[in-house]
Amino acid sequence: EPEVTQTPSHQVTQMGQEVILRCVPISNHLYFYWYRQILGQKVEFLVSFYNNEISEKSEIFDDQFSVERPDGSNFTLKIRSTKLEDSAMYFCASSEWGANTGELFFGEGSRLTVL
Amino acid sequence: GDSVTQMEGPVTLSEEAFLTINCTYTATGYPSLFWYVQYPGEGLQLLLKATKADDKGSNKGFEATYRKETTSFHLEKGSVQVSDSAVYFCALSLTFRTNAGKSTFGDGTTLTVKP
Repeated sequence: EPEVTQTPSHQVTQMGQEVILRCVPISNHLYFYWYRQILGQKVEFLVSFYNNEISEKSEIFDDQFSVERPDGSNFTLKIRSTKLEDSAMYFCASSEWGANTGELFFGEGSRLTVL
Repeated sequence: GDSVTQMEGPVTLSEEAFLTINCTYTATGYPSLFWYVQYPGEGLQLLLKATKADDKGSNKGFEATYRKETTSFHLEKGSVQVSDSAVYFCALSLTFRTNAGKSTFGDGTTLTVKP
C-alpha cells in the first residue's frame, strides 16, 4: 500500500541551527501539507502546497519556515534558525483530491528536538 | 475561525465497554468531517469520514454521524478492544476555501482499554 515517508525520524539540533525535514508523498497525490504536534498538544496546520506554490499557511509558518518540492518527488520543510519552541513532531501529509473532499495520508512524523 | 472541540480525556474503559467520544465543530460553510486515529509511535490514520449532513461514516466497528443541527460528529463503538487504545482526533475540512484546503484538528482524546 502506498505511503508517505518522512526522514529523519528524529533530529536533535542546537538552537539557531537550520533544519530540513524531508517527505516523500504518495506518487499520484497533488496536494501536500505540513502539520506539527507539540508533545501532548493538538495537531496544528502549518502549510499547504499545490501546483508548486503555497496554497495556504498558518500564523505559525513565519519567515523562518519554507517549503520546497525540489525534484518532483520530495517535499521539504526548512526551518532557518530553530528556536526551543520549534521542538515538536512534524507530520507531512499528502492528498489526491485535497483536504476539502478527501482524506489526508500522513507520514509517521519527524521528531525535532531543539536544545 | 473554524474549530473543533473534543471531549477531554483521557478515557479509560474495560474491554467490551461502549465508547463515545464527543466532537462538536464551528465552521463557516459546509465542512467535511473526519476521525483520525494515532497509535503509539505512529502517524495519523483516517478512521472514518462524512462529507455531508446525515452521512454516517463507519470503519472497524466505529461509527459517527454528521449532525448539522447540533454541529456534532460523535465517535461511537459498541464494544472496544485493547487494540483500540490510541489517540483519536476529530477534524474538519472546508470545501472550496482554497485549492488544497486544510484540516483543522481537535485536541485529541486518549483512549486506554484495559483487559
